[in-house]
Amino acid sequence: AQSVAQPEDQVNVAEGNPLTVKCTYSVSGNPYLFWYVQYPNRGLQFLLKYITGDNLVKGSYGFEAEFNKSQTSFHLKKPSALVSDSALYFCAVKNASNTGKLIFGQGTTLQVKP
Amino acid sequence: KAGVTQTPRYLIKTRGQQVTLSCSPISGHRSVSWYQQTPGQGLQFLFEYFSETQRNKGNFPGRFSGRQFSNSRSEMNVSTLELGDSALYLCASSLRGTSTDTQYFGPGTRLTVL
Repeated sequence: AQSVAQPEDQVNVAEGNPLTVKCTYSVSGNPYLFWYVQYPNRGLQFLLKYITGDNLVKGSYGFEAEFNKSQTSFHLKKPSALVSDSALYFCAVKNASNTGKLIFGQGTTLQVKP
Repeated sequence: KAGVTQTPRYLIKTRGQQVTLSCSPISGHRSVSWYQQTPGQGLQFLFEYFSETQRNKGNFPGRFSGRQFSNSRSEMNVSTLELGDSALYLCASSLRGTSTDTQYFGPGTRLTVL
């Protein structure tokens, strides 16, 4: 069965510091990995995805993520956090047999303090 | 291009009633997926429609149903509402409905069952 784990319920960082939000996955076959962000009372906004190719993926708002096949991880990173980055972040996975079904992690709340 | 729209944004119903939620995908998108978001269970996949056919279904009781129209707009219906159906219902659309496609989410419908 496919699954996604986000081991941290909350991540706290100071503004200007680098941030990492962790994600590990379990899926049969090649994984297709996604990061979304959710602000209060809003839907999910797409940040970036990994399908194939370069393990470092760059996305919206300065975010990037690194795919590590041996560690089955897809951690989200940003070199310098902003207070406005404070939100709920979701990692999700699909494989080739799942067209419209994203499997989500439980989410990680990112708190960036000024 | 306009994003995914969902109506209504908020709904209050009582136990035993039924409810219909509507989703208009991004213009040209052919796949629509529905998710339920609750604090306890997180984001869970309900079903996916492509070209008016249900292509994938999550692990929800038969009280949850949906359909897609020829213009790709989709509706989901919940009959005999239970307190536990209180949730944010999110709709997402993608262009081709493939495994590598990005899903773009609407703002959601907040359903409260009293």
